[in-house]
Amino acid sequence: EAGVAQSPRYKIIEKRQSVAFWCNPISGHATLYWYQQILGQGPKLLIQFQNNGVVDDSQLPKDRFSAERLKGVDSTLKIQPAKLEDSAVYLCASSLAGYGYTFGSGTRLTVV
Amino acid sequence: GESVGLHLPTLSVQEGDNSIINCAYSNSASDYFIWYKQESGKGPQFIIDIRSNMDKRQGQRVTVLLNKTVKHLSLQIAATQPGDSAVYFCAEVTPSNYQLIWGAGTKLIIKP
Repeated sequence: EAGVAQSPRYKIIEKRQSVAFWCNPISGHATLYWYQQILGQGPKLLIQFQNNGVVDDSQLPKDRFSAERLKGVDSTLKIQPAKLEDSAVYLCASSLAGYGYTFGSGTRLTVV
Repeated sequence: GESVGLHLPTLSVQEGDNSIINCAYSNSASDYFIWYKQESGKGPQFIIDIRSNMDKRQGQRVTVLLNKTVKHLSLQIAATQPGDSAVYFCAEVTPSNYQLIWGAGTKLIIKP
């Protein structure tokens, strides 16, 4: 079974620039999650999708972050404009009704 | 999801010894628990899970114990190897929305 695919693996941008991350979940997993993980901390949930609908985006900084999952499969997470404090690893995960919870390798973002 | 502080607890064990990593969880309604291993530069990797109707589950070299009375999980790794070096997180799945609530990570260091 293929895992959760994410790209790019690394990204370096200047503050105030924009960036987008892509995620392809495990086939058949209806639930998709985006997390932000700062070094030394556990992952923080940004947004949760069920198929193409948003279940929870309460911790997403909506003034600069946006995410979509238009066809209920792939998802993109965008930051515009980026701030220095957005430097982190952005993880995508998917699950089937809360089980089989699987993470991708993440995108390491550095904002300079 | 929850986040933990910058300073991860560290457990240092001799190669070949057994490791025990402990975790407290918060929600007495949680019915599913997962242990993840996170190596540097990678996403969390599933190790073992347990449902709330069990108090022990064994895998290959790993055992998870669940004590619902005191809301405590432990992960036991037998005959610890250098490849076990990583940060270990426990997570509980909230049945209402299939979200992960993360425990404090523990950094496992293997001494040769």
